[in-house]
Amino acid sequence: DGGITQSPKYLFRKEGQNVTLSCEQNLNHDAMYWYRQDPGQGLRLIYYSQIVNDFQKGDIAEGYSVSREKKESFPLTVTSAQKNPTAFYLCATTLSGARTGELFFGEGSRLTVL
Amino acid sequence: QQQVKQSPQSLIVQKGGISIINCAYENTAFDYFPWYQQFPGKGPALLIAIRPDVSEKKEGRFTISFNKSAKQFSLHIMDSQPGDSATYFCAASMIHQGAQKLVFGQGTRLTINP
Repeated sequence: DGGITQSPKYLFRKEGQNVTLSCEQNLNHDAMYWYRQDPGQGLRLIYYSQIVNDFQKGDIAEGYSVSREKKESFPLTVTSAQKNPTAFYLCATTLSGARTGELFFGEGSRLTVL
Repeated sequence: QQQVKQSPQSLIVQKGGISIINCAYENTAFDYFPWYQQFPGKGPALLIAIRPDVSEKKEGRFTISFNKSAKQFSLHIMDSQPGDSATYFCAASMIHQGAQKLVFGQGTRLTINP
């Protein structure tokens, strides 16, 4: 089945702990993205990566880190430095060079900090 | 400069009516304007998109109107149905460091009453 798999779907974390969200895709897309969704604020870009071993900060990168060791995988670590980490996190992909405005999204991971 | 402003935040429409959601942007570097539809617990999916050299695009019951001089665009849903109840996001896209970078509006929660 082709698509984007995010895991876990739900995650609870204690304050002060780092947590890593997984994003795997088999669409053979080059570009991968992480967005954060909060009620009333839309989707805000955390990090994106155009190619393996390269990534750029988005608008709200503070307190987050990523890696891109394989084309298929783009994990996001929410560190203890992120002041308000409770949110719905969305991974997305698109074809390199695409200029259609289309991103393909996973089903998201909901992180709750207790 | 990077913001996309969306209104209203929520909208209730009777079945068969017309739903209208509006967006405005500032940065003239944006070169594609997509609309996304999101159902609860799912990732957003592309609904329809328009280039800035086109004033209107229609796909079935969904129409984008685009006013380049005013830097505004809107989504019209004709003959709205209960199945259209979802959250809608407008977005603006540009190429940044070789990858599509999308900036999203704040979202509109649409409810269609039967």
